[in-house]
Amino acid sequence: RKEVEQDPGPFNVPEGATVAFNCTYSNSASQSFFWYRQDCRKEPKLLMSVYSSGNEDGRFTAQLNRASQYISLLIRDSKLSDSATYLCVRGNDYKLSFGAGTTVTVRA
Amino acid sequence: DAGVTQSPTHLIKTRGQQVTLRCSPKSGHDTVSWYQQALGQGPQFIFQYYEEEERQRGNFPDRFSGHQFPNYSSELNVNALLLGDSALYLCASSFYGKGGGAGTQYFGPGTRLTVL
Repeated sequence: RKEVEQDPGPFNVPEGATVAFNCTYSNSASQSFFWYRQDCRKEPKLLMSVYSSGNEDGRFTAQLNRASQYISLLIRDSKLSDSATYLCVRGNDYKLSFGAGTTVTVRA
Repeated sequence: DAGVTQSPTHLIKTRGQQVTLRCSPKSGHDTVSWYQQALGQGPQFIFQYYEEEERQRGNFPDRFSGHQFPNYSSELNVNALLLGDSALYLCASSFYGKGGGAGTQYFGPGTRLTVL
């Protein structure tokens, strides 16, 4: 079983819509979690860290459920510029373990 | 403030050859990690260097080796290249300090390696 599993999508949504997707992880001792964003043929960039209490960064809301071992990301009021692959990431002191990514396309 | 830089940007090699990729970390960072990203997949951890030593290694064969220099820059070497080594190789830097815990990893633009 992969360490981090994501729904690959694609999620194709109109501008202004809300889109949400999850990922699951297998290591219950995992320490930290993140969402990274990756544009086509570019490097991953940190979008936000994920905390058990849930956290928001503008239009983005992340949630961590340690009991069920899943992480979610919600994007409100989608913009064309939100089109990207979103990578769910589990981290420890040394390495990041990535999911394969969820592709989101926002259409005009 | 320069971010993480990598060279070269693109590289084409043939099977059996050897390749060296280079990475300069973000200013103030002391730790370098290397990842391999195949098409359609998430990045896979190769290894991490701190204080010029390999601190942890992912599930990659010994053909993959690395080095970290006193100025914190790093090299990734791959010997006896296989077709399956074709991928985007990403370097990430972070600040660990003296046991302060892992810092956020920032990625360079990557080196795209094609093995023919």
